[in-house]
Amino acid sequence: IQLTQSPSSLSASVGDRVTITCRASQAISNYLAWYQQKPGKAPKLLIYAASTLQSGVPSRFSGSGSGTDFTLTISSLQPEDFASYYCQQLNSYPLAFGGGTKVEIK
Amino acid sequence: QVQLQEWGPGLVKPSQTLSLTCTVSNGSISNGAYYWSWIRQHPGKGLEWIGYIYDSGTIYYNPSLQSRITLSVDTSKNQFSLRLSSVTAADTAVYFCARVRHLWLQFDYWGQGILVTVSS
Repeated sequence: IQLTQSPSSLSASVGDRVTITCRASQAISNYLAWYQQKPGKAPKLLIYAASTLQSGVPSRFSGSGSGTDFTLTISSLQPEDFASYYCQQLNSYPLAFGGGTKVEIK
Repeated sequence: QVQLQEWGPGLVKPSQTLSLTCTVSNGSISNGAYYWSWIRQHPGKGLEWIGYIYDSGTIYYNPSLQSRITLSVDTSKNQFSLRLSSVTAADTAVYFCARVRHLWLQFDYWGQGILVTVSS
């Protein structure tokens, strides 16, 4: 299963609403997770089961979708949110990540 | 909270075997609720799942690497390990270990990562 994220990068300002999409090459139900990665750091789990917020993750992050189309939304971008974001499908093997979306400061 | 730490050589010669170990702290690797996984990231690139192992020995591999991978668990040391044979420069990457919860397979705790360079 291939995952296509879009856009591959975006520029946004603090306070902006940001939406990242992830499209699967075949249906994966809601077996999708989202991660945030900052330079030189390990990925951090944000969302699993497509829309369940991981404990401790701010509520400005949300996920939606099912089947083949998914979105990660940051309702009001904060300075600490500038990072790369990856989706991951967990429906079938091999588990796979999307190509990533880099969120940069405008 | 659970902590994972990768360790091993940072430099491996081509054709040799890359060996890494992940030590799990503040949690038992024998807890049946988790898989224990390896993921890598080529410099400046995205994430690639390598495989994971359950404490019973059940293993799932990425087929692209399956012929060269060995995963193992040492419950007495609360560690799990990766061996990748016949390495080339294409195996140069940051290698992460992670804990994976069974139900939704979420990778909820990660090690900091270790850069392994394949070079003579």
